[in-house]
Amino acid sequence: DAGVTQSPTHLIKTRGQQVTLRCSPKSGHDTVSWYQQALGQGPQFIFQYYEEEERQRGNFPDRFSGHQFPNYSSELNVNALLLGDSALYLCASSLGQGPYEQYFGPGTRLTVT
Amino acid sequence: AQKVTQAQTEISVVEKEDVTLDCVYETRDTTYYLFWYKQPPSGELVFLIRRNSFDEQNEISGRYSWNFQKSTSSFNFTITASQVVDSAVYFCALSEPDDKIIFGKGTRLHILP
Repeated sequence: DAGVTQSPTHLIKTRGQQVTLRCSPKSGHDTVSWYQQALGQGPQFIFQYYEEEERQRGNFPDRFSGHQFPNYSSELNVNALLLGDSALYLCASSLGQGPYEQYFGPGTRLTVT
Repeated sequence: AQKVTQAQTEISVVEKEDVTLDCVYETRDTTYYLFWYKQPPSGELVFLIRRNSFDEQNEISGRYSWNFQKSTSSFNFTITASQVVDSAVYFCALSEPDDKIIFGKGTRLHILP
């Protein structure tokens, strides 16, 4: 039973560039949530996708956008990268919307220089 | 607004000691959900427990136990007979129905051999 997978593991980008992170949910899960975790902090909710639509969004600017595909996998896009976007980006999957048990992936470490 | 406070930034105990991690939450809703997650050095968050606001019964799972007290808005986590493998960052989180999950800043637990 495959768990949540994310790619790439690490990424280094330059300020102003754009980045795309990818996530495949746990088998059988249809909902994907994205979180940003800065060093020494708890994960901060970015948004959640269900049925290929953004259902909920945290306090993140429009530079952060996403997509969910028919196979439930998801992408997180960040435009015009800032130094402050450097963080661990976590993807979590669950079955259905709502405050259900979420399974997290290992994350993508993004460094913006 | 929702808020989760984990006042203990870092705790160190000697192996086999019991340790309690504190979590205090704020919410305006009468229906909400509380979670604990473990983040080992590998970085992947591991779900430990979910509790809804109508179930104040304490729970025990092996060496882990949780004490939920609505009167004090607390959801504390105790590890009995701690082991080195328990070393990790532990996050408490809160979610209202159909809303995002809010994480605390985490407590870094060191179990010393």
